Amino acid sequence: DQQVKQNSPSLSVQEGRISILNCDYTNSMFDYFLWYKKYPAEGPTFLISISSIKDKNEDGRFTVFLNKSAKHLSLHIVPSQPGDSAVYFCAADDRGSGNTGKLIFGQGTTLQVKP
Amino acid sequence: DADVTQTPRNRITKTGKRIMLECSQTKGHDRMYWYRQDPGLGLRLIYYSFDVKDINKGEISDGYSVSRQAQAKFSLSLESAIPNQTALYFCATSATGQGAYGYTFGSGTRLTVV
Repeated sequence: DQQVKQNSPSLSVQEGRISILNCDYTNSMFDYFLWYKKYPAEGPTFLISISSIKDKNEDGRFTVFLNKSAKHLSLHIVPSQPGDSAVYFCAADDRGSGNTGKLIFGQGTTLQVKP
Repeated sequence: DADVTQTPRNRITKTGKRIMLECSQTKGHDRMYWYRQDPGLGLRLIYYSFDVKDINKGEISDGYSVSRQAQAKFSLSLESAIPNQTALYFCATSATGQGAYGYTFGSGTRLTVV
């Protein structure tokens, strides 16, 4: 059973516009969420994270929003650039249970930013 | 040199063969992980180790085994490879209590079982 779900396999946006990538989770014990970015032939790299005590975290063009009641988070990229074209993975961790460090990943969303 | 090195980068093997994927790291991290990536399924955890003497099964450990030879080395073995183990395999590391948090991944091993 997929505890972290990214229901959109792909997303295409125009350069300069906003990209919104969505992620849903089912385990209410998850208390830390991360986004990873993956280019072809490379491993995923950490992009941005958010703790469950916050509802927003911003880092430059990237902002992650967390809605705990809906068990939903989203990654906003503004403005989108062609170099942002990659696969984006949402991940979650249950730090409070002692299992911290064992990330559960979603299926990934392939973002294409068109020039 | 990469912080997390996986060998080989690509491998084609036959059904029934034993194969070992190796991972070494220079990050000084105590925790190491093996994931596999499949289209539509994302990254799924196979095994993880929080220190040299600690080995734990992940979501999909059947058909796999691991060895943590040293803090810096974590190997994944397929004792008798089968075609549905064809996937992209990633090793990752992290550090206990790491404030910034997050894994460091290797570049992956693409394994094809024919």
